Amino acid sequence: DAGVIQSPRHEVTEMGQEVTLRCKPISGHNSLFWYRQTMMRGLELLIYFNNNVPIDDSGMPEDRFSAKMPNASFSTLKIQPSEPRDSAVYFCASSRASGGAWEQFFGPGTRLTVL
Amino acid sequence: GNSVTQMEGPVTLSEEAFLTINCTYTATGYPSLFWYVQYPGEGLQLLLKATKADDKGSNKGFEATYRKETTSFHLEKGSVQVSDSAVYFCALSDWNNAGNMLTFGGGTRLMVKP
Repeated sequence: DAGVIQSPRHEVTEMGQEVTLRCKPISGHNSLFWYRQTMMRGLELLIYFNNNVPIDDSGMPEDRFSAKMPNASFSTLKIQPSEPRDSAVYFCASSRASGGAWEQFFGPGTRLTVL
Repeated sequence: GNSVTQMEGPVTLSEEAFLTINCTYTATGYPSLFWYVQYPGEGLQLLLKATKADDKGSNKGFEATYRKETTSFHLEKGSVQVSDSAVYFCALSDWNNAGNMLTFGGGTRLMVKP
């Protein structure tokens, strides 16, 4: 099992540029989560999907952020335009929502730096 | 709503010392409880879990017991090693949530000195 795959692992961009982060969940998982982690705010849930449908996007900071899940094996988180305060580590996690303890499996993260 | 409260860190211990990281929770339903660990530069990994009251989760020498009467899930280890230095997150999932969201605590940084 390859685990959750995220790309790129590191991204450095300039303010105002568009940034796209990518995630491939574990095969067979039907829930996908995007988190952001910073020293100041800790770990924040941005949005999550069940069966490719966005369920709760109340954590998305503002309209500059958008997320899509066109199929069960791929999701993107886009920031346009990016700002320095978006600098953080962004994690994707996936889960099999079939009852029991809903363990989430995390990817290695994308470290985003906006200059 | 659901919430998880952890003791603030950093917790600094010498190797072979006993570890306790406190975690208490508030939930509307019957949650499952988790401890995740995050090593430097990595994502979160599940350390252990418990799905009902009085269950004990254990892994890699760490243990935590689901205490419904005190709404707690404290993490313990009898003898820590330098390699245990990491950030530890307590979390819960609740049937009453829409879907299977996890509610995380703020994390506790553990530093173990040789």
